[in-house]
Amino acid sequence: SQTIHQWPATLVQPVGSPLSLECTVEGTSNPNLYWYRQAAGRGLQLLFYSVGIGQISSEVPQNLSASRPQDRQFILSSKKLLLSDSGFYLCAWSGGTVTYEQYFGPGTRLTVT
Amino acid sequence: DQQVKQNSPSLSVQEGRISILNCDYTNSMFDYFLWYKKYPAEGPTFLISISSIKDKNEDGRFTVFLNKSAKHLSLHIVPSQPGDSAVYFCAASHFGNEKLTFGTGTRLTIIP
Repeated sequence: SQTIHQWPATLVQPVGSPLSLECTVEGTSNPNLYWYRQAAGRGLQLLFYSVGIGQISSEVPQNLSASRPQDRQFILSSKKLLLSDSGFYLCAWSGGTVTYEQYFGPGTRLTVT
Repeated sequence: DQQVKQNSPSLSVQEGRISILNCDYTNSMFDYFLWYKKYPAEGPTFLISISSIKDKNEDGRFTVFLNKSAKHLSLHIVPSQPGDSAVYFCAASHFGNEKLTFGTGTRLTIIP
C-alpha cells in the first residue's frame, strides 16, 4: 500500500530564516506530487505541483520554492521566511492521469515568529 | 475567482440525524468531484467521489449527489456520528487536469 510521509511535524522559525520541508511517498512510482498551505481558518491553497522529476509548476507567486530531486521526494523551501508564511503545509500525491484522487500527508505546522 | 464554493462555513447536527453538506461550482468543464474530511492538525482524508456521468454515488453512510444543471453537489451522511465532526472540503477537476480545485470547507459538528 502507498504511504506518504512529511517532516517535521511542527516547526517554529524566526523571520528571515531558511525553510526546508520534506515529503516522501512509498509504494508507488511516478506519482504527481503537490504542496498545499492551509492558513488559519482558511481553505487549501495549492502552492506547487509536479508531474515528474525536475518538473515544478508554481501556482502562487511568493518567496517559496519547490524541488523534486527524486521520483518520490518533494521538497518545499524558502531562503527567507516571512510572518505570512505561517500555516499548515500539506503534501499530497496522486496517481497522475489515471485517477483524480489525491492523498495527503499528515502535514507540518509552521509558525514564523 | 472561487470556482468551487461552500457557502456554509459551519453546520451542527444532532447525532443519528442526517447531515447534508452543500457545494456549488461555476466551471462547466469540471467533470469529477470529490469530498474530503479533515480533522484538526491532520491531512485531509478522501471520502467519496462522483463522475459527471452519474448523479449519485453511495459508500456506506456517505452518499454524494450531483446536479449538473444546477452545478451543485451535496454530501449526505446518515446516520451522523460523533466521529463525523470535522471540516469537509469538496473539490473538483476535469479530464486532463492534474489539479484539484477545493472549496473553503464546512465545519460539521455532531451534537451527542
